[in-house]
Amino acid sequence: GAVVSQHPSRVICKSGTSVKIECRSLDFQATTMFWYRQFPKQSLMLMATSNEGSKATYEQGVEKDKFLINHASLTLSTLTVTSAHPEDSSFYICSAIWTSGALLGETQYFGPGTRLLVL
Amino acid sequence: EDQVTQSPEALRLQEGESSSLNCSYTVSGLRGLFWYRQDPGKGPEFLFTLYSAGEEKEKERLKATLTKKESFLHITAPKPEDSATYLCAVQAPDSSYKLIFGSGTRLLVRP
Repeated sequence: GAVVSQHPSRVICKSGTSVKIECRSLDFQATTMFWYRQFPKQSLMLMATSNEGSKATYEQGVEKDKFLINHASLTLSTLTVTSAHPEDSSFYICSAIWTSGALLGETQYFGPGTRLLVL
Repeated sequence: EDQVTQSPEALRLQEGESSSLNCSYTVSGLRGLFWYRQDPGKGPEFLFTLYSAGEEKEKERLKATLTKKESFLHITAPKPEDSATYLCAVQAPDSSYKLIFGSGTRLLVRP
């Protein structure tokens, strides 16, 4: 099956600092990646859709300037939480859809998630 | 409005006690329905994709079925290692490939 990795798996930072989370597709190319956040005992909430080589599309209510997304290659997307505050503490998960030439799969394969704690 | 509702919220089974999880959906034109398993502190793990009413897929003790309004995930003779949250999602009717998730069913299988 398709493998997606995330780094780091856990991060603790001080309020006001920025944190970068990486999402990589390890054994396939992905023109489209997604970023989600998940609060305890709740389902996944889509934050943004990341397309390689173009600007991300953010969901309503998600601050573009706070959650910076860069999808610079077919195997890497990054999410930077800028000026993090305690309310940004959450579980952040990425997913990727495989691409093969002109073909685009439909199944999203998820990374293991990143636990962010802002003190 | 496109919506996905899962029931029950939580389910406790004895090992070997078969049951079903429900996922009802309202979407203007189903492009695909997905089942995922999520363990605590981990990302969702892909299980099945269903595309049309009447379709069924199986994997070990799990069997997913689809009708025009809902999907069922049948668990036959579950084991404790089947304990997890099971998430259902439908693909958005546009071309975005976005998924609309239900709130999940937390399954606990007791030995």
